Amino acid sequence: DAKTTQPNSMESNEEEPVHLPCNHSTISGTDYIHWYRQLPSQGPEYVIHGLTSNVNNRMASLAIAEDRKSSTLILHRATLRDAAVYYCILNTGTYKYIFGTGTRLKVLA
Amino acid sequence: NAGVMQNPRHLVRRRGQEARLRCSPMKGHSHVYWYRQLPEEGLKFMVYLQKENIIDESGMPKERFSAEFPKEGPSILRIQQVVRGDSAAYFCASSPQPNDGTGANVLTFGAGSRLTVL
Repeated sequence: DAKTTQPNSMESNEEEPVHLPCNHSTISGTDYIHWYRQLPSQGPEYVIHGLTSNVNNRMASLAIAEDRKSSTLILHRATLRDAAVYYCILNTGTYKYIFGTGTRLKVLA
Repeated sequence: NAGVMQNPRHLVRRRGQEARLRCSPMKGHSHVYWYRQLPEEGLKFMVYLQKENIIDESGMPKERFSAEFPKEGPSILRIQQVVRGDSAAYFCASSPQPNDGTGANVLTFGAGSRLTVL
């Protein structure tokens, strides 16, 4: 299964944009890039997913590199409620999501 | 519209006892997945079920663990003769349709059941 690499932790100031990177150099042509986040003591929550083109929704934006070997989750204005562990996952067409350890985002007031 | 409901949220068992974790999928969802999260680790796939069928249990430990999703009622993850190493958070997720092979399948997770084995 294709793997992803994310920084262990990041910090952001409240109301500033946050760019969370993810490397997936072994991605295959049909792998979707999914992002989930896990708030403390909660289950993972779907954030966004994409295949090749950049995607926007009410929660975030997903910027996918042209060669698809990396992607960036963008939170346009971080709030304290965005403090969570963010997981970048390659969905290879199965339901067996492979969760790494993700990026722990700390938002500073 | 309630999301994925899991209970109990917290369960304490002594070594050798049985643990039963229940999961009610979102309304309209007929596909259930169980994941386990050990402390300070990512979630790991355990089993995928549809109503009355186990589709894939390749992530389940071979002994003591079983899962079911009956025609009526919630999905149940059962752990017999629990040991300290079973202490973890167990998450259930559901989806409305089967995996279509495109990689676009999105899962809705419950809040989890946290098992502590004394």
